[in-house]
Amino acid sequence: EIVLTQSPGTLSLSPGETVTLSCRASQSVTSNYVAWYQHKPGQAPRLLIYVASTRATGIPDRFSGSGSGTDFTLSISRLEPEDFAVYYCQHYGDSVWTFGQGTKVEVK
Amino acid sequence: QVQLVQSGAGVKKPGSSVKVSCKTSGGTFSTNAFSWVRQAPGQGLEWMGQIMPLYGTANYAQKFQDRVTITADEVTTTVYMEMSSLTSEDTAVYFCAREEFLYDSSGSHSGPAFDLWGRGTLVTVSS
Repeated sequence: EIVLTQSPGTLSLSPGETVTLSCRASQSVTSNYVAWYQHKPGQAPRLLIYVASTRATGIPDRFSGSGSGTDFTLSISRLEPEDFAVYYCQHYGDSVWTFGQGTKVEVK
Repeated sequence: QVQLVQSGAGVKKPGSSVKVSCKTSGGTFSTNAFSWVRQAPGQGLEWMGQIMPLYGTANYAQKFQDRVTITADEVTTTVYMEMSSLTSEDTAVYFCAREEFLYDSSGSHSGPAFDLWGRGTLVTVSS
């Protein structure tokens, strides 16, 4: 089973800044089946990116995903106040879904 | 508008069982897969298992293999997650999520993801 490790655990940033979040898989991911979600307290998670780099419907273009193999990143440019949340990467393979432990993006 | 409506919060005694429901409204049901994901206090998201109602068979994360049963009712378009032998460590918000195979506008990038989520059900295990 693939293990996803996200880094860093927490980022303290100001609105307007740009951030890059990392998600590393314990072994190479086939078919780039990696997704990213945004999660705010008391809400359902929200799909941002699927198949590593494709934005989901309605997601602003300041969110972008990239990567292949074992290393994947989520970048958020020009942080808006509503972007402060926890971000999770996720992988699907061999009928199993796996989440990373999450990266919290907080207001500095 | 497609929605996943989950059952309400509850308190359970240690050692008991809980059954959480997730009713879909709109959209397809049988040919989608549905997963259950939980989040314990202060922790991250944890995938528990999935079911595709068309086939009726579920598969589970190894951690939950022995205690969790996921079922689906095609008549009521509802998915259920039942967990037995509850302990305080099972106190969490439980989410259902729809799995969809998504395509970009060009059709050249496609893959699965959880595109729709329920709002979560808080299960508290306490004596």
